[in-house]
Amino acid sequence: QITLKESGPTLVKPTQTLTLACTFSGFSFSTSGVSVGWIRQPPGKALEWLALIYWNDDKRYRPSLKTRLTIIKDTSKNQVVLTMTNMDPVDTATYYCAHSPYSGNYIDAFDVWGQGTMVTVSS
Amino acid sequence: DIQMTQSPSSLSASVGDRVTITCRAGQSISNYLNWYQQKPGKAPNLLIYAASSLESGVPSRFSGSGSGTDFTLTISSLQPEDFATYYCQQSYDNPITFGQGTRLEIK
Repeated sequence: QITLKESGPTLVKPTQTLTLACTFSGFSFSTSGVSVGWIRQPPGKALEWLALIYWNDDKRYRPSLKTRLTIIKDTSKNQVVLTMTNMDPVDTATYYCAHSPYSGNYIDAFDVWGQGTMVTVSS
Repeated sequence: DIQMTQSPSSLSASVGDRVTITCRAGQSISNYLNWYQQKPGKAPNLLIYAASSLESGVPSRFSGSGSGTDFTLTISSLQPEDFATYYCQQSYDNPITFGQGTRLEIK
């Protein structure tokens, strides 16, 4: 059974850096085709994809946020970490991490999601 | 960015109805189209991947079709647990983009 769980601060100040961890179990990055992505959802709004890291350590970022985002995987801890710099109130959202088993075929479909973590950006 | 436009934005239907939701891509995305269901306060749930492949464990009343720019999600006979918001998502090009969502409500 695959599970993912997000962790990190619930409140950050404007201009600060957000660091979120996604701790997972039930799969390994040694499996070809696996990826983990980060997706956020502002309150009452649609989903917005942020970043993706693949089994082979390739990475994709949302171009409009690329300068602010870094995604890494720590296989020793079974974690994927997302950092986002220069946080702004518009970044207030629920942040999800999610697993895709289909990325080997470039079908980045997320079959298992974490519960999400709400991050508020406010002074 | 490839814009994904869903229609309708909201829909009222009754239990037992057949419902179709449409997703149009701003350019051809082949079959790199996925569908999710999201209930309030919960994470999305994958229903369909690669336009027409039913995700394991998803009831067979859900089906997807389409290729290129036009895609549909069909629920053959609505059940009470199907009232939720539905999103399409393309993975053909960077960035991955989602539609704005279709809210399915009880009539």
